[in-house]
Amino acid sequence: QVQLQQSGPGLVKPSQTLSLTCAISGDSISSNSAAWNWFRQSPSRGLEWLGRTYYRSRWYIDYALFMKGRITVNPDTSKNQFSLHLNSVTPADTAVYYCARVGPEWELDSWGQGTLVSVSS
Amino acid sequence: QSALTQPASVSGSLGQSITISCTGTGSDVGSYNFVSWFQQHPGKAPKLIIYGVSKRPSGISSRFSGSKSGNTASLTISGLRTEDEADYYCCSYAGSLTPYVFGSGTELIVL
Repeated sequence: QVQLQQSGPGLVKPSQTLSLTCAISGDSISSNSAAWNWFRQSPSRGLEWLGRTYYRSRWYIDYALFMKGRITVNPDTSKNQFSLHLNSVTPADTAVYYCARVGPEWELDSWGQGTLVSVSS
Repeated sequence: QSALTQPASVSGSLGQSITISCTGTGSDVGSYNFVSWFQQHPGKAPKLIIYGVSKRPSGISSRFSGSKSGNTASLTISGLRTEDEADYYCCSYAGSLTPYVFGSGTELIVL
């Protein structure tokens, strides 16, 4: 059974960088049949996909267009985890952030516990 | 704004059946059989209950079923139980640039 454990601060100041990590157990980040995603959820914007990374003979990383170059997702094979970095945050980035695994049938079957990140001075 | 349209709330009595609709377009729900449904209780992460339009993950009750017709997907819950009271979200693939688009969510109230 795949488990995802998120870590990172719950409070970030405006204009700074939001950084979260998602540690994987029960699967490998280098799996050829899975992809590793970041989502967020807020009352105003609902559930949104932010970005993903996956390995298919080489590493692929994709981002949501609306993130406009503010986002970085990185795999870390040495620790079997992946990270999210969102720079130049504003209060509009306040949300619960989730990491999640998608399997070969496009099933989002494993989610992290969620991290409420507030952007405030 | 959410890309997929769901009713804000639905209600049903214990033991009855309800159906939640999820309306998209020909660019998402109508073009791909990659529709999923999630159940979310307050303060918890979404839980996958249907994927591939009508497939159930291991451990999910057969009381949950999914279908699709044209640009609209549907989730049916039969034999309503108190523990089914939660928010439900649909999700569809919408192409390589937008692999996940979500509905706005539906609150299920069990009377």
